[in-house]
Amino acid sequence: QKEVEQNSGPLSVPEGAIASLNCTYSDRGSQSFFWYRQYSGKSPELIMSIYSNGDKEDGRFTAQLNKASQYVSLLIRDSQPSDSATYLCAGLIQGAQKLVFGQGTRLTINP
Amino acid sequence: KAGVTQTPRYLIKTRGQQVTLSCSPISGHRSVSWYQQTPGQGLQFLFEYFSETQRNKGNFPGRFSGRQFSNSRSEMNVSTLELGDSALYLCASTSVGAYEQYFGPGTRLTVT
Repeated sequence: QKEVEQNSGPLSVPEGAIASLNCTYSDRGSQSFFWYRQYSGKSPELIMSIYSNGDKEDGRFTAQLNKASQYVSLLIRDSQPSDSATYLCAGLIQGAQKLVFGQGTRLTINP
Repeated sequence: KAGVTQTPRYLIKTRGQQVTLSCSPISGHRSVSWYQQTPGQGLQFLFEYFSETQRNKGNFPGRFSGRQFSNSRSEMNVSTLELGDSALYLCASTSVGAYEQYFGPGTRLTVT
């Protein structure tokens, strides 16, 4: 079992709708989670970090963490074509500055 | 504040050669981590340096090595290149006491 798993995708969402991206993790010791956005040919860009159970909102983005279920999600409200990218979920290994990434979910927002 | 910089951006090498990649972290950041990204394996952790010391290492062969200098700049070296080493090599920096890692633009290495 991979340490961090994401929906394989691809995911297609109409413009203006809510895009929902999901991620599960196996290491119960992981405390910190991150969502990165990666445009084709570019490097990952950090868009959200979450450390405690519940929701964290930043603009159109909401990250959700449920440690009991070992589940992390990212909601993108009012999706825009510029949100089309691959979204990477990452967990920080307890005690190490090491991120473990999921395989990524390719999101396409259709105008 | 300037972001993470990596040089060179693109590199073409031949099997058996060696290569050195450079990374300059965000000013004030002292932790530098290196990752390899390939279509098949995704993003994989190589190693992490803090205050010139390697603190963590991933599951890569000894051909992959790195170091960090007193100004926090880091280099990674790959010796005896193999075709499978073709990848995007990314470095990320982190501020002391923080967890967020910020990536540089990457070095695209092609081994022929």
